[in-house]
Amino acid sequence: AQSVTQLGSHVSVSEGALVLLRCNYSSSVPPYLFWYVQYPNQGLQLLLKYTSAATLVKGINGFEAEFKKSETSFHLTKPSAHMSDAAEYFCAVSLYSSASKIIFGSGTRLSIRP
Amino acid sequence: DAGVIQSPRHEVTEMGQEVTLRCKPISGHNSLFWYRQTMMRGLELLIYFNNNVPIDDSGMPEDRFSAKMPNASFSTLKIQPSEPRDSAVYFCASSQPRAKNIQYFGAGTRLSVL
Repeated sequence: AQSVTQLGSHVSVSEGALVLLRCNYSSSVPPYLFWYVQYPNQGLQLLLKYTSAATLVKGINGFEAEFKKSETSFHLTKPSAHMSDAAEYFCAVSLYSSASKIIFGSGTRLSIRP
Repeated sequence: DAGVIQSPRHEVTEMGQEVTLRCKPISGHNSLFWYRQTMMRGLELLIYFNNNVPIDDSGMPEDRFSAKMPNASFSTLKIQPSEPRDSAVYFCASSQPRAKNIQYFGAGTRLSVL
């Protein structure tokens, strides 16, 4: 069965600093991988997705993620944090054969220090 | 498009009462998902529908929970009788036929059972 593990339930960075949110996946077949973002009192929205076309995936708001098969990782990065990036971030995985169902990680809350 | 619409946004009820949550998916989307989010358990998939048919309800906690999708534009999640441990934020999401694993979330219903 597929799963994702997000390392660190809470990450705090200074404004302008690098953002790195970690996600490792487990899957018996090449997976689809996603990052979703949830702002306070809102639903989740798609940040970016990996579908095997390219290992480096660019998303909205300057975020990107790199698929590393050898490390079974899909970490999310942003070169320079902005106050508006404060939110909860979820890594998620689905399989080609059952693409309707997505397995979400436990989430990482990102705080930005002025 | 207006996005996925959920109602009510907030619901406060007393233990033992029936609660009905409503969802209108994005027009043209044929998959609909109900999730529950709590601090303790994170984001849990309760049930999902394809073309109005329930496909996987293995996440429904117990018989007190039921979900219906009478047509392509409407779904309900009912809890009867409600209990304090049902307090959570309930999300509805939908996806389109050609991209089932990209889900669009509503703003959620925050349920408090006293």
